[in-house]
Amino acid sequence: GIQVEQSPPDLILQEGANSTLRCNFSDSVNNLQWFHQNPWGQLINLFYIPSGTKQNGRLSATTVATERYSLLYISSSQTTDSGVYFCAGRHGSSNTGKLIFGQGTTLQVKP
Amino acid sequence: DTGVSQDPRHKITKRGQNVTFRCDPISEHNRLYWYRQTLGQGPEFLTYFQNEAQLEKSRLLSDRFSAERPKGSFSTLEIQRTEQGDSAMYLCASRPGTTQETQYFGPGTRLLVL
Repeated sequence: GIQVEQSPPDLILQEGANSTLRCNFSDSVNNLQWFHQNPWGQLINLFYIPSGTKQNGRLSATTVATERYSLLYISSSQTTDSGVYFCAGRHGSSNTGKLIFGQGTTLQVKP
Repeated sequence: DTGVSQDPRHKITKRGQNVTFRCDPISEHNRLYWYRQTLGQGPEFLTYFQNEAQLEKSRLLSDRFSAERPKGSFSTLEIQRTEQGDSAMYLCASRPGTTQETQYFGPGTRLLVL
């Protein structure tokens, strides 16, 4: 079955709006990370967040490990926030640290 | 800049040809990963190196694929007898050892097999 599931799959916002992206993960996945993939394909680390809440500028993330979900908040969105957002977790049965990725949320911020 | 680098960034080849990609991880990162990403999907794990040892390979890595990390620094991924289904973005990531879980990704090599 699906181990990392993201919603919504697509999101269109006006510049300045806020948004929440969700990541549900199975009990075989832990140590959540969030990435932003820009239009050129580069994956950029946003947060390593196995539990709790972190903030970095307009972005923040919360992981509730006991309930197997993580949220990424984007406030006052800008056109440069456009791209695909992935959450990924460490496969629990692997001691190599390989990541299992969700399908991504494609965000388009319109000016 | 001391980020992860990959070469080439783009590769177009004909079906049946062999291709080789290179990844240079962040210096002193002893753990290196290869992932493959097809259109509209998240990256999928291919293989993992700790120093020069290849410790895990995905079932996605058929016998046409081989990866090496001969001196525990850069890594190469070779695909023999390419097929159209091999068209994808090939991503390399590295991280330091033990407790640091964050993986840092390179810009990827985009492969198109005609």
